[in-house]
Amino acid sequence: RKEVEQDPGPFNVPEGATVAFNCTYSNSASQSFFWYRQDCRKEPKLLMSVYSSGNEDGRFTAQLNRASQYISLLIRDSKLSDSATYLCVARPGGGSNYKLTFGKGTLLTVNP
Amino acid sequence: GAGVSQSPSNKVTEKGKDVELRCDPISGHTALYWYRQSLGQGLEFLIYFQGNSAPDKSGLPSDRFSAERTGGSVSTLTIQRTQQEDSAVYLCASTNKGAGGSAYEQYFGPGTRLTVT
Repeated sequence: RKEVEQDPGPFNVPEGATVAFNCTYSNSASQSFFWYRQDCRKEPKLLMSVYSSGNEDGRFTAQLNRASQYISLLIRDSKLSDSATYLCVARPGGGSNYKLTFGKGTLLTVNP
Repeated sequence: GAGVSQSPSNKVTEKGKDVELRCDPISGHTALYWYRQSLGQGLEFLIYFQGNSAPDKSGLPSDRFSAERTGGSVSTLTIQRTQQEDSAVYLCASTNKGAGGSAYEQYFGPGTRLTVT
């Protein structure tokens, strides 16, 4: 089982739609979680960190369920510019806490 | 300020040749990572440098791969006797570990697209 698993998509949604991505992780010792965004042929960039209580940044909401080892990202009122690949990332605790594990990503295309 | 830079942006090489990829991290960032991203695959960790500590080389796929970081700044990733399966985008990232809060935000360079023919 891969350490971080995501539905690869692609997700094709119309502008204005709400879309949700899910991610599961296998390492129960994982301490922190992030969503990165990667545009086509570009480098990944941090979108948001994921906190235990859930957190919101504008149209984006991230949630963490430690019991189920599950992370989600919700995008409301999708924009054309949201089209990208969304990478789910886990960081372990302890001595290897520098070593992020990236999922393969979920491709989102927002259509006019 | 300047972000992470990498060179070359594209490299086409013949099978069996050696290649050297360069990464210039953000000034002051103490930690530097190399990753490999193949088509349709996630980011594969290769190597991690932190200050003067011994690097974590656990992700290097074979002894044909090596990396160094001189003076705690610029890093080079060398692939000897390249094989077609080495074709991928090689990404470098740096972070200011210990800064708290966003200490684990990794800032990526634009990558080097390596094609081995």
